[in-house]
Amino acid sequence: NAGVTQTPKFQVLKTGQSMTLQCAQDMNHEYMSWYRQDPGMGLRLIHYSVGAGITDQGEVPNGYNVSRSTTEDFPLRLLSAAPSQTSVYFCASRALGEYNEQFFGPGTRLTVL
Amino acid sequence: GESVGLHLPTLSVQEGDNSIINCAYSNSASDYFIWYKQESGKGPQFIIDIRSNMDKRQGQRVTVLLNKTVKHLSLQIAATQPGDSAVYFCADLIPTDSWGKLQFGAGTQVVVTP
Repeated sequence: NAGVTQTPKFQVLKTGQSMTLQCAQDMNHEYMSWYRQDPGMGLRLIHYSVGAGITDQGEVPNGYNVSRSTTEDFPLRLLSAAPSQTSVYFCASRALGEYNEQFFGPGTRLTVL
Repeated sequence: GESVGLHLPTLSVQEGDNSIINCAYSNSASDYFIWYKQESGKGPQFIIDIRSNMDKRQGQRVTVLLNKTVKHLSLQIAATQPGDSAVYFCADLIPTDSWGKLQFGAGTQVVVTP
């Protein structure tokens, strides 16, 4: 089991560029989510999905899109990067109802200039 | 809005001593809490959880205490080791959410000194 994998580990973008952060899990988890982590703040939920074809917004969804075409993959798209999106992004997955078995990926550190 | 927060941003502990990390929550309807550990450059890892029908739960070298009267929980680490140096987060399950969203506190940095 690879668990939750994220690519890339680091990324630098210019304002206005778009990109996709990749997330994959091999545990057949229904629930997948994206968080951002900023200094001095807790993890904030961006978007989440409870299964293939089902996505919903979290606490801070503006400027991000997601899709869930398969159980394994949950990419996060930045449509037009802004400096305020400079952050560390974490993808997580778990089985529905198994809150203590939520696994996080290693994170993607994104800098927007 | 209601939130989970931490009292101290940084905790310096001597190796071998016990660590106590505190967390306050404001949603009286919260009924499930988790502590996470995040080492530098890594994602958070589950440490221990507790439900609101319990006051105390013990794991390997860790104990979580829940005081529902004052809406406070703490994480105690016994005989702190250098490998315990990390950021520790508490999180609570948002009770009104049907899919089990977690709300995270800002975190406490624990630094273990020799």
